[in-house]
Amino acid sequence: DAGITQSPRYKITETGRQVTLMCHQTWSHSYMFWYRQDLGHGLRLIYYSAAADITDKGEVPDGYVVSRSKTENFPLTLESATRSQTSVYFCASSEGQEDQPQHFGDGTRLSIL
Amino acid sequence: AQSVTQLDSQVPVFEEAPVELRCNYSSSVSVYLFWYVQYPNQGLQLLLKYLSGSTLVKGINGFEAEFNKSQTSFHLRKPSVHISDTAEYFCAVSGGYSSASKIIFGSGTRLSIRP
Repeated sequence: DAGITQSPRYKITETGRQVTLMCHQTWSHSYMFWYRQDLGHGLRLIYYSAAADITDKGEVPDGYVVSRSKTENFPLTLESATRSQTSVYFCASSEGQEDQPQHFGDGTRLSIL
Repeated sequence: AQSVTQLDSQVPVFEEAPVELRCNYSSSVSVYLFWYVQYPNQGLQLLLKYLSGSTLVKGINGFEAEFNKSQTSFHLRKPSVHISDTAEYFCAVSGGYSSASKIIFGSGTRLSIRP
């Protein structure tokens, strides 16, 4: 089915570990986004990408790394996880124009012990 | 910088009662406005959007929103809610001062429906 898929759905890891969250979309949307959702903060943009090999920082990029070697994939890596990165992470994609909505995956719930 | 304010973090409503979820934004230039819904353990889904034209916008599941430029508001309404409307609702804005690709989200309003 066409759509946007995130994996894993749930992840528990320890501080200092590296963890990668995967995001795959089948629409060939040019833009992809990573958000984190925390109680009281709504959605905060971590990184976004306008096309393959083009990425840019969002509101809260520290501690995260992204890459986009293919249009359909946009992995998010926590190089050395910290407890403050415990959150629900959402990937989204869009065609990029201002009047186009974003399409979201179902999220990854990440717990860092 | 642009911002979106959702005035209520939680709204409890009885089933079949009307509801209004409030949203104000901070731009005076042309913007595009969206409402998204998030059901438990799911991502956000588009409920409706305002791009231009009629200020009353109809969305899915019987929701509608009215764009009021003078009050910079985009409140969401439903005349009669159902238990299945229990979810979190996010107002969002794009265009204006933000980058072409970005959407600014409000902090969300949790709608709880009581039987």
